Amino acid sequence: DIQMTQSPSSVSASVGDRVTITCRASQGISSWLAWYQQKPGKAPKLLIYAASSLQSGVPSRFSGSGSGTDFTLTISSLQPEDFATYYCQQANSFPSWTFGQGTKVEIK
Amino acid sequence: EVQLVESGGGLVQPGGSLRLSCAASGFTFSSYWMSWVRQAPGKGLEWVANIKQDGSEKYYVDSVKGRFTISRDNAKNSLYLQMNSLRAEDTAVYYCARDKAGPYYFDYWGQGTLVTVSS
Repeated sequence: DIQMTQSPSSVSASVGDRVTITCRASQGISSWLAWYQQKPGKAPKLLIYAASSLQSGVPSRFSGSGSGTDFTLTISSLQPEDFATYYCQQANSFPSWTFGQGTKVEIK
Repeated sequence: EVQLVESGGGLVQPGGSLRLSCAASGFTFSSYWMSWVRQAPGKGLEWVANIKQDGSEKYYVDSVKGRFTISRDNAKNSLYLQMNSLRAEDTAVYYCARDKAGPYYFDYWGQGTLVTVSS
């Protein structure tokens, strides 16, 4: 199975900050990667797919990059509604998908 | 508007069974792969199973193979997860999710239903 490792596990940031989260795959996954946002008690929400494609309706302050084994999610200017937990997910090893352990973005 | 509404969760004893349902609306259900994804309390996300549009292909995470069965009824726009021989480690919120453009990413999720396996 492909293991996905996110870093950091948590980050404290202020409104307006630029935040970057990293996801590393245990083997190459080309661009088969997605990012999700989850708020407490809510279902996850798809933000980015195919490593860098913005899901419809998602603000442009979210962006994704990377290929192979190393990927990043960047929030260019953190907004109050962005405080949440973020997960990466690989979609390379059909049909077994795996998620990272999550990165919690907290208020500084 | 795409909606996915899960039901059927609850408290069950170890070794017991439960059947989860997911009612879909707002899209052509028969055109999409569908998945179940779970989240243990305070933990991360784990993909559990998925099923092709016509039900001809079904896949499972290793930890549930032989115990869980995914199915669908396209006439009723519904997805199911039959869970047998439940274990304490199956305790989680179970989400129904639509697969975006093939079985790769999950673009719509239900609100989840909690399954608790405990004596």
